Amino acid sequence: SQQGEEDPQALSIQEGENATMNCSYKTSINNLQWYRQNSGRGLVHLILIRSNEREKHSGRLRVTLDTSKKSSSLLITASRAADTASYFCATDAAGRRALTFGSGTRLQVQP
Amino acid sequence: DGGITQSPKYLFRKEGQNVTLSCEQNLNHDAMYWYRQDPGQGLRLIYYSQIVNDFQKGDIAEGYSVSREKKESFPLTVTSAQKNPTAFYLCASSIPGETQYFGPGTRLLVL
Repeated sequence: SQQGEEDPQALSIQEGENATMNCSYKTSINNLQWYRQNSGRGLVHLILIRSNEREKHSGRLRVTLDTSKKSSSLLITASRAADTASYFCATDAAGRRALTFGSGTRLQVQP
Repeated sequence: DGGITQSPKYLFRKEGQNVTLSCEQNLNHDAMYWYRQDPGQGLRLIYYSQIVNDFQKGDIAEGYSVSREKKESFPLTVTSAQKNPTAFYLCASSIPGETQYFGPGTRLLVL
């Protein structure tokens, strides 16, 4: 089952612009994680945000979590061509001992 | 890719053949996971293991089998019962409930 669903499915921006990706989910969670995947490669972990947290930062990344709306957002500021990749949210749901992934947002940053 | 290795990088399967994908980790993680990724899609859980000598079916376990005889190793066998095995297979490990770290993946193709 795909609990986390990202929006938009694809996003194309110019270098230097900000990119925002959203994730919605259906059930109660312990935490929500964001990953990046370059074409044909494994997943790289970006940020983990727990259910009792509302916002986390890591470098140019900012993640928010709204458990009342069952949604999260990932903001990449001052984007670079190297940020071109697919971005996935994954939920660690209460009672399930593994992550459930969404279908991802494909980000293209034009130089 | 951290301390997780997957081999081979590419694997070709003939009709009716069983093939085994290797996953090894040196992160001392108790939990290990296998996911399948189809083109343009998110990850779907095949099997997971929270501890040595124990494993659980995920969402798409039919046609697959696993073993967990050592903490470091979690091999996945794609059996002849799996009728559509062509996909990208990703292994991950974690401290249960924490960040999952992924290997580089194995791409399985059918001859």
